[in-house]
Amino acid sequence: KAGVTQTPRYLIKTRGQQVTLSCSPISGHRSVSWYQQTPGQGLQFLFEYFSETQRNKGNFPGRFSGRQFSNSRSEMNVSTLELGDSALYLCASSPLAGLETQYFGPGTRLLVL
Amino acid sequence: QQQVKQSPQSLIVQKGGIPIINCAYENTAFDYFPWYQQFPGKGPALLIAIRPDVSEKKEGRFTISFNKSAKQFSLHIMDSQPGDSATYFCAASGAGSYQLTFGKGTKLSVIP
Repeated sequence: KAGVTQTPRYLIKTRGQQVTLSCSPISGHRSVSWYQQTPGQGLQFLFEYFSETQRNKGNFPGRFSGRQFSNSRSEMNVSTLELGDSALYLCASSPLAGLETQYFGPGTRLLVL
Repeated sequence: QQQVKQSPQSLIVQKGGIPIINCAYENTAFDYFPWYQQFPGKGPALLIAIRPDVSEKKEGRFTISFNKSAKQFSLHIMDSQPGDSATYFCAASGAGSYQLTFGKGTKLSVIP
């Protein structure tokens, strides 16, 4: 079975731009979560989707948004990029409604200049 | 605020040693405690997880010890190998929260 895939793997943007990141979960997985990883703050939860519904959202500004499609693929969008948004954005999928056995993708490395 | 505090920040052990990484939590609603291993350039991978109804769980060379009254849990790596050199994260979640709260991570280096 193919693992969680994220595209693109690397991205460079400038302040004020917006960006869309994509995540394809493992086949059959319906739960997708997004995390931001930075050296200073570590891994922080962004949001989680299950069957196209956002069930939980972390403590991030409204510039961060996401969605999930009927095939469980998910996208996250960051508008009006700031320098502090530079991070590794990780997507994780789970086969069940809970969080057990959560599989992470390799991440998208975003650099904001 | 839900927090998971992890220590130490970094750890160096010799091959064959037993590194121990500790985590403490505050939220008594947490009921699932996984450990993740992350290599450079990769996403975190689930190593082992425990629920509060048991005090210890072993999987291969990895052991979680759990102390519910102290709200602490720890990861022990038996017979550590250079290939175990990675960053380890503890995490916690509560029923119905649909999110993992992570510790800040421990960078482990196993010296040959």
